[in-house]
Amino acid sequence: DAKTTQPPSMDCAEGRAANLPCNHSTISGNEYVYWYRQIHSQGPQYIIHGLKNNETNEMASLIITEDRKSSTLILPHATLRDTAVYYCIVERNNQGGKLIFGQGTELSVKP
Amino acid sequence: DTEVTQTPKHLVMGMTNKKSLKCEQHMGHRAMYWYKQKAKKPPELMFVYSYEKLSINESVPSRFSPECPNSSLLNLHLHALQPEDSALYLCASSHGDRLTEAFFGQGTRLTVV
Repeated sequence: DAKTTQPPSMDCAEGRAANLPCNHSTISGNEYVYWYRQIHSQGPQYIIHGLKNNETNEMASLIITEDRKSSTLILPHATLRDTAVYYCIVERNNQGGKLIFGQGTELSVKP
Repeated sequence: DTEVTQTPKHLVMGMTNKKSLKCEQHMGHRAMYWYKQKAKKPPELMFVYSYEKLSINESVPSRFSPECPNSSLLNLHLHALQPEDSALYLCASSHGDRLTEAFFGQGTRLTVV
C-alpha cells in the first residue's frame, strides 16, 4: 500500500509560490519525509527532507504538520524550469530503508 | 564530483542478446540502486546494494542480474529480455547508512526488439 497520497496534477503561475501537499497519515515515528522531483527525461533529483521540524534549503521549504500526518513542499518563486513531477516519499533514514516512489504530482508552471 | 554516470544512454537489443548496463559514482557512496521506469509511471525499485552486497531484490525476474564489482561501480546484466522490459533504467547512489540524499543518473533508455 502507498504510504503517501498526492494530487495528480497542479498548475502554478510563474513567479508565484507553488505549494505541493502530501498526506502520510500512517507515518511512523522513525520515518522521514523526502521530496524528489523528476524533470522530463531526466533522473529524479533530491529536493529536501525532514523528520518533524520545518526545513528550508536553497531549493524549497518543507512544512510538516505537528501530528506529522501531512506536509507541504513550497517552491517560493516558481519558474518554468520547475515544471516536473514531484514525489513525496516516507521512509526510514537508515541502511534498511529504500526509496519507493508513488504516483507524484505533475506540476506545470505557466507563464 | 556529485554525478552518477550511466552508460550507454541508449540501447537497442534483441530478445536473444546479452547486454550490460553500467553505473559509476565517485562520491564515496556505499549504497547503490537500480530502478526501472516505464513511460508516464514512477520509478520502480529493482535492487539495492549496500556495502557491495545485495540487500534488496524486489522480486525481479532472473533475466536481470545485478553486480557490484566495487564500491564505485554497479552493473545490470541483461539476458533474454522481453519487449515489455523496454524502459528507462535508472541508477542511484547514497550514503551507505542513510538515504538522506540519493543522486540519480540520467538513465539508460532500453528498447527490446
